[in-house]
Amino acid sequence: QQQVKQSPQSLIVQKGGIPIINCAYENTAFDYFPWYQQFPGKGPALLIAIRPDVSEKKEGRFTISFNKSAKQFSLHIMDSQPGDSATYFCAASIAGNTPLVFGKGTRLSVIA
Amino acid sequence: DAGVTQSPTHLIKTRGQQVTLRCSPKSGHDTVSWYQQALGQGPQFIFQYYEEEERQRGNFPDRFSGHQFPNYSSELNVNALLLGDSALYLCASSPQQNSGELFFGEGSRLTVL
Repeated sequence: QQQVKQSPQSLIVQKGGIPIINCAYENTAFDYFPWYQQFPGKGPALLIAIRPDVSEKKEGRFTISFNKSAKQFSLHIMDSQPGDSATYFCAASIAGNTPLVFGKGTRLSVIA
Repeated sequence: DAGVTQSPTHLIKTRGQQVTLRCSPKSGHDTVSWYQQALGQGPQFIFQYYEEEERQRGNFPDRFSGHQFPNYSSELNVNALLLGDSALYLCASSPQQNSGELFFGEGSRLTVL
């Protein structure tokens, strides 16, 4: 049973474009939604996270949009750069109560 | 400040063998979680250790077991290896149980032939 569904599987954008990665969840008890970034040969690293009391959170060029009624959240990368090429994972949990459940990942390629 | 360190980085085993993977958490962290990441998939939660006890477990068979030592380091043991156990095994540490902010190591790549 996949609790967090992520799309698309892969994404190619031009430098300066705004890739958008989407996730949908099923468990309405989830209250913590992070995004992790993974480069080849490395472990995932926390990029940005949001809780359901806000609809949007920005950190630098990264923005999470959250739609509680639709049970969806998305990652936007502004002014994308070739160095942003990586695999991105959304995740969800009940904060302090359950371990993170990850989506299957989106492989992003930013071409110059 | 050393982050999460894992060993070995790569290993090859044959079906039926046993394997032990090791993890040292980030300084100041007392909780260790293990995840299995199959090729092209997201990490899947195996179990979490806190105060030397398994606190939570994902949907993995009893062939997967672990241990946490007094210095918070941890081991993951897998018995009777199957081809399907081939994956990247990630250790993550956190300053408290079920913290959303996990610090991952670079993983141990296990290949079962």
